[in-house]
Parts: sequence; structure tokens; C-alpha cells
Amino acid sequence: ETGVTQTPRHLVMGMTNKKSLKCEQHLGHNAMYWYKQSAKKPLELMFVYSLEERVENNSVPSRFSPECPNSSHLFLHLHTLQPEDSALYLCASSQDKGQGEQYFGPGTRLTVT
Amino acid sequence: DAKTTQPNSMESNEEEPVHLPCNHSTISGTDYIHWYRQLPSQGPEYVIHGLTSNVNNRMASLAIAEDRKSSTLILHRATLRDAAVYYCILSENYGQNFVFGPGTRLSVLP
Repeated sequence: ETGVTQTPRHLVMGMTNKKSLKCEQHLGHNAMYWYKQSAKKPLELMFVYSLEERVENNSVPSRFSPECPNSSHLFLHLHTLQPEDSALYLCASSQDKGQGEQYFGPGTRLTVT
Repeated sequence: DAKTTQPNSMESNEEEPVHLPCNHSTISGTDYIHWYRQLPSQGPEYVIHGLTSNVNNRMASLAIAEDRKSSTLILHRATLRDAAVYYCILSENYGQNFVFGPGTRLSVLP
């Protein structure tokens, strides 16, 4: 247990569906991150939030929409995804942006059909 | 792009030391060197990090070359549970912009 939980652990969705991924951290951290890990590719940083404000958006398509309502929760809203968006989506947190180690959740395995 | 290069894979025997190399010839003065590992079906986990001096913790040791252009993660006694992908990462600006490379897949043989 890393103190970062993600739900659901597995998700299958059609290209016209709308779904959301949830991340919660119980560590009192101020920064949270979304990463994407596709098969046979390195982890890619998608979004960074610091004190509930988005501070980085690494050229992620608009069909991915993050939300950070408070410092403990992070969501990734998904709509009209493509099959190539199938991947493991990982959430992480750290004490502050750019400070300290990152704690990762177990990830959500997403399959887009 | 990742600023580090690592071997794609390595093998070790159980209970023997493992030295995982990482080259980072373009490292800047303010870059920290981080190591994470990812066990099967899990998210990455922090292993160790350093700036200039060698570092030790309960999991591993980090040996940093004097010119900082390379580093080595040392697992003192490999166990089967150490089989994972090990990532060497430079963090720009004291920890921002983590860029993961493909890492080294470590296999531990009983």
C-alpha cells in the first residue's frame, strides 16, 4: 500500500462512452500527477496539479479532461476515446511539485473497444 | 526524450549483488538522479535518489560517478521479489518534469 488508491482497477469502454478515473491520496501531499503507460512504451506524464491548480499539460488530447477538486482527489474524465488510448493510467502524488519522491497508485487498466 | 540510457535487460542470481548502470552524459548541475522500479502489475515505486554523493538506504545504494555522467544502482543481495523494471530518471529543476525511459528489466534467477 502506497497511500494512493485508484478506482476502478479495470475499465472497458466503447468509443462513444464517457467515464471517469478516480485517484485519492491519503498522504497529505500537495501535488498530484496523471501518467499513461502504453504497452511497450515508457511512462508518459500527462498532467500535473499543484495545490489543486493544473501546472502542466503535456500536449494531451482534449478527450482527456483532468479535474482536481481538492488536494486529496484527482479525476481523469474520458470521452470519445480511441482504441490507441488503451493503456495503464497511473496516478501519483508528491509532497510538493518537484519535491520529494512520487508515490504511485496501482493504476487503472483501460481498454477502449 | 529521456536523458538517460540503460541496458534493456539484465539477469542476476538470487542472493548475489546486482549493479544496474545508467548513463546520463548531458546531466546538468541541478539535475537529481532518481531510481524507481516497477514490479509486475504495480505502479512504479521509489528506490533512491541523489545529487552528487553516494547514497544508501534500506533498499539499495546509489553510486554516482565523480563527473556525474553515470551512476549505478546497487542491490546488495538480489531476491526474487527484486525482479522488476528499474528506471533511472533525471529530474530537471529539483524534481520537475520526470521523463521515464524504457528502463532495465531485471530478472532474478533462483
